Formats: sequence, structure tokens, C-alpha cells
Amino acid sequence: QSALTQPASVSGSPGQSITISCTGNRSDVGVYNYVSWYQQHPGKAPKVMIYEVSNRPSGVSNRFSGSKSGNTASLTISGLQAEDEADYYCSSYTSTSTPFVFGTGTKVTVL
Amino acid sequence: EVQLVESGGGLVQPGGSLRLSCAASGFPFSRYAMHWVRQAPGKGLEYVSAISRSGDSTYYANSVKGRFTVSRDNSKNTLYLHMGSLRTEDMAVYYCATEAYGSSGYSMYFLDYWGQGTLVTVSS
Repeated sequence: QSALTQPASVSGSPGQSITISCTGNRSDVGVYNYVSWYQQHPGKAPKVMIYEVSNRPSGVSNRFSGSKSGNTASLTISGLQAEDEADYYCSSYTSTSTPFVFGTGTKVTVL
Repeated sequence: EVQLVESGGGLVQPGGSLRLSCAASGFPFSRYAMHWVRQAPGKGLEYVSAISRSGDSTYYANSVKGRFTVSRDNSKNTLYLHMGSLRTEDMAVYYCATEAYGSSGYSMYFLDYWGQGTLVTVSS
């Protein structure tokens, strides 16, 4: 089971928008609309920010949005804030031996 | 309030065994599939294992298949991960997490609540 591919790092200035990509294949991202995104601050457990490609759980800022096209999903953070600096992981339901697969992770830096 | 508390981590020699526990509270444990995810020091998240609500179905990443066993005791609201033939590459923080369900009772295929994690160190 191969991890989904994410850029290692993305950076932006406060107030800017950034987008993180997540590329899978036809056994995961390309087939299912069950892509989720997790935010993880150092030393903390992951927190879900987006589920089912573009849905936000209650309490998550509307500055976070998700989308998908073909085998690639994306997370966009608009109006970047210092508190958004963290690691972000995508995940997808998969038809392989385990129900979920994670992305390689992206470190977001707020300049 | 949903709470997941992992325990059982610690130092173990290569080839050794360890049993992790995840004590759940604040939700009807037996109605939720449960998952284990790990994170090696300075590395990304890696999916490890899952178990269905009743415990009848289990799933494992190829990296742990045949060495790890997931189980649950719904009467004790506790999830377990029995880890055997441990390798240095198994060293990680291990998280337990709940699968999310919609109001219809169907899975929404993401991990909703996470514990704080327990550290497993494999070293001689």
C-alpha cells in the first residue's frame, strides 16, 4: 500500500492563500470521494479539518476548503494565519488491504 | 466528552513483544470501528490496523501483517494492539482513533477522535 503523494513543504505570508496537493491513484483518491485532511501541531494528535473531499467538521474555520480532480485532491488555506503553521496529511479510503491510506505529509510554514 | 487514552508503550528489545491498550469513554464504543495509526519520530502518519465494531473483521498494513494483532473488548470499552517480533522500524508513537459515522449510521470514512498517543521504543 503506497502512501499518497504530497509536497514536503508549502509556505506563505499571513493573509495569503496556499494549496496543498495530494495525489493517489485509481484504488483510492481517483475512485472514492472519501478524502480527508488532518492538521497536526508538534507533539499533538492529528485533527480532522476536511472530510469527504470538501466538508468541514463543526468548529473548523471556513478558511479551510477541499476539492478533488481525478487522482488529485487539494486543500486550500485562505487568509493564512500564524496558527495554521503545522503539518498537514491527506487520507483516502482505499480498496486495498487496509481501509485507509495517508499522504506523505506537508509542512506549512507561515513566513 | 469522547476520550481515548492509550497506554502500554515503553522500551522493548528487538524481537520482543508489547501490548498497547486504548481505553475509550464518552461514546458507545461497541458501535464504532476502531483504528491504530503510528508516527515514527520526525516522520509522517502511517496507517497500522483496524477492527470492526464486533471484532469479526480486522485489517493490517503489510508492514505489520503477521506480527501485530488487533482486538477489542466491548465489555471493557477497550481496544488492544498486540505487537510481536518488534523491529527498530516499529518505533513510533501509536495512536488509536475512532471511525466517523453519519446520522444514518454509515461510515463517513475518516478518523474522528484520536488519543494522545503512546510511545513505543524498540532498542537493544
